[in-house]
Amino acid sequence: EIVLTQSPATLSLSPGERATLSCRASQAVNSPYLVWYQQKPGQAPRLLIYGSFRRATGIPDRFSGSGSGTDFTLTISRLEPEDFAVYYCQQCGSSAWTFGQGTRVEIQ
Amino acid sequence: QVKLQESGPGLVKPSQTLSLTCTVSGGSITSGGYYWSWIRQHPGKGLEWIGYIFYTGSTYYNPSLKSRLTISVGMSKNQFSLKLSSVTDADTAVYFCARWSPTTEASWGQGTLVAVSS
Repeated sequence: EIVLTQSPATLSLSPGERATLSCRASQAVNSPYLVWYQQKPGQAPRLLIYGSFRRATGIPDRFSGSGSGTDFTLTISRLEPEDFAVYYCQQCGSSAWTFGQGTRVEIQ
Repeated sequence: QVKLQESGPGLVKPSQTLSLTCTVSGGSITSGGYYWSWIRQHPGKGLEWIGYIFYTGSTYYNPSLKSRLTISVGMSKNQFSLKLSSVTDADTAVYFCARWSPTTEASWGQGTLVAVSS
């Protein structure tokens, strides 16, 4: 099983700041199989990034994904009030899919 | 645009079988290239992948649930289902169904809360 470790667990930032979220895999993940989601309380996860860097439909360009192999990054260039949420990475590259434990982005 | 909707009992007794159905609209389960999956989220916790069925009918399950789990295509080609046997309160969670492929955007249902309680 590929273990995904997200860091930091919590990111305390102010609107307008840049957020950098890390997702590190215990084994290499092929880029098409790395996905990022945003989740707010009481809601289903919202797809942000698929294929490591492709923005999903309707996702603002302040969200970007990068990385390869075992290290992937989600960057929010300038935080908007609606961006404070929990973010998950997921890999679908092995038979057993896995999620990271999440990074909470909270208002400082 | 494909849409997915989970349905099933919101309350299941311990030791019984949890059964959920995911109804797909705007697309067919048998159309090529998609993985039809189940994910759950325990209250206040992160996301846990349960398993998937590929459009060919092949399945793969989370090893921690494999002995109790069956994912299958429903009577309707636009439905797939989850059956989890011998449930305990540790299976209380919000259950989501989703469609995924490596080349297109994933789509999720809104989720359904299932509580295990006597």
